[in-house]
Amino acid sequence: RKEVEQDPGPFNVPEGATVAFNCTYSNSASQSFFWYRQDCRKEPKLLMSVYSSGNEDGRFTAQLNRASQYISLLIRDSKLSDSATYLCVVWGGTGGFKTIFGAGTRLFVKA
Amino acid sequence: EAQVTQNPRYLITVTGKKLTVTCSQNMNHEYMSWYRQDPGLGLRQIYYSMNVEVTDKGDVPEGYKVSRKEKRNFPLILESPSPNQTSLYFCASSVIQGRGQETQYFGPGTRLLVL
Repeated sequence: RKEVEQDPGPFNVPEGATVAFNCTYSNSASQSFFWYRQDCRKEPKLLMSVYSSGNEDGRFTAQLNRASQYISLLIRDSKLSDSATYLCVVWGGTGGFKTIFGAGTRLFVKA
Repeated sequence: EAQVTQNPRYLITVTGKKLTVTCSQNMNHEYMSWYRQDPGLGLRQIYYSMNVEVTDKGDVPEGYKVSRKEKRNFPLILESPSPNQTSLYFCASSVIQGRGQETQYFGPGTRLLVL
């Protein structure tokens, strides 16, 4: 079983749609959680940190459920510019201070 | 400007010829890391460093070496490259605080082809 699992997609949605991505992680002692965005083999960039209390940044909402070891990302009112790969990332826990990336979920937003 | 730099950006080499990819950050970050990215596999951590002279293996360390003699630099060394090390490599750095890792900042990537 992979340490961080994501649905690879692709998700094909029209502009204005709401889309949700999910991610599960296996190390219950993990400490930090993130969503990164990556455009076409460029360097990943932070989209949001994820907290148990949930956090929102404009059209983006992220949620962490530690009991279920589950992370989510919700994108509302999708824009063409949201087309990218979304990476679920987990840091720390038993075994040291590794950073583990999910394989990514590909999103295509179409006009 | 806060940044992570990697060099070279592109490299073609032959099996067995030692090479070094440099990484430098100007943000005084404690944590630095190397990843490789391969199609369908996402980013996999090769090595990471929590601070100067403190390094540890990630998930795919075989065939690689690192060193952290200065806080700003974290070179990746391939002593005897093989074709299965052909990949896109990223260096990254971040702060580690009480609640854990903060934002990682990535370099632009190094595309390596081993013939």
